[in-house]
Amino acid sequence: AQKITQTQPGMFVQEKEAVTLDCTYDTSDPSYGLFWYKQPSSGEMIFLIYQGSYDQQNATEGRYSLNFQKARKSANLVISASQLGDSAMYFCAMSLSGYALNFGKGTSLLVTP
Amino acid sequence: DAGVTQSPTHLIKTRGQQVTLRCSPKSGHDTVSWYQQALGQGPQFIFQYYEEEERQRGNFPDRFSGHQFPNYSSELNVNALLLGDSALYLCASSLDTRGAKNIQYFGAGTRLSVL
Repeated sequence: AQKITQTQPGMFVQEKEAVTLDCTYDTSDPSYGLFWYKQPSSGEMIFLIYQGSYDQQNATEGRYSLNFQKARKSANLVISASQLGDSAMYFCAMSLSGYALNFGKGTSLLVTP
Repeated sequence: DAGVTQSPTHLIKTRGQQVTLRCSPKSGHDTVSWYQQALGQGPQFIFQYYEEEERQRGNFPDRFSGHQFPNYSSELNVNALLLGDSALYLCASSLDTRGAKNIQYFGAGTRLSVL
């Protein structure tokens, strides 16, 4: 069975600093995709970044990067130069087949001035 | 370019009633997935529709059913509502691609309250 674990219920970061949100996963399937989504209080899940299990390079999308350590089964999200608008829930998710996304419980990030 | 749209945004029902939620996918997308998100939890996969057929289903009872129309829009139906069905229901659309890189784009959700 596939499982996503996010161990940080809440995180604080000061504006303009970098922050790392942790995500570990468990699967025996060699082919999988890892995703990070942001959910503001409005409810919409916003796609941030994707990493494939066979990708050699860590994924980057603007201020977001994914620190992919395959042997440790971790896929941590790094947000550089935090902004007040980054305050939200962040979810890590995994897909095996390209069908269902299996989500973690999320991490609440608060960016302070 | 319109994103994923869901209606209604909020809904209040009583136990035992039936509800229908609607979703229009992002332009060009042919696959629709539905998720239930209870308060303080991550979304849980309900099912996915492609070519008007249910392609995969999560661990939800038969009270949860769906439909996809030829224009790719979709409905989620829940019968015999229980208090525990109160949640945010999220619709996501994607392109049917092989393999794990199937990026799903979400709507803002329908918040269902069962009294």
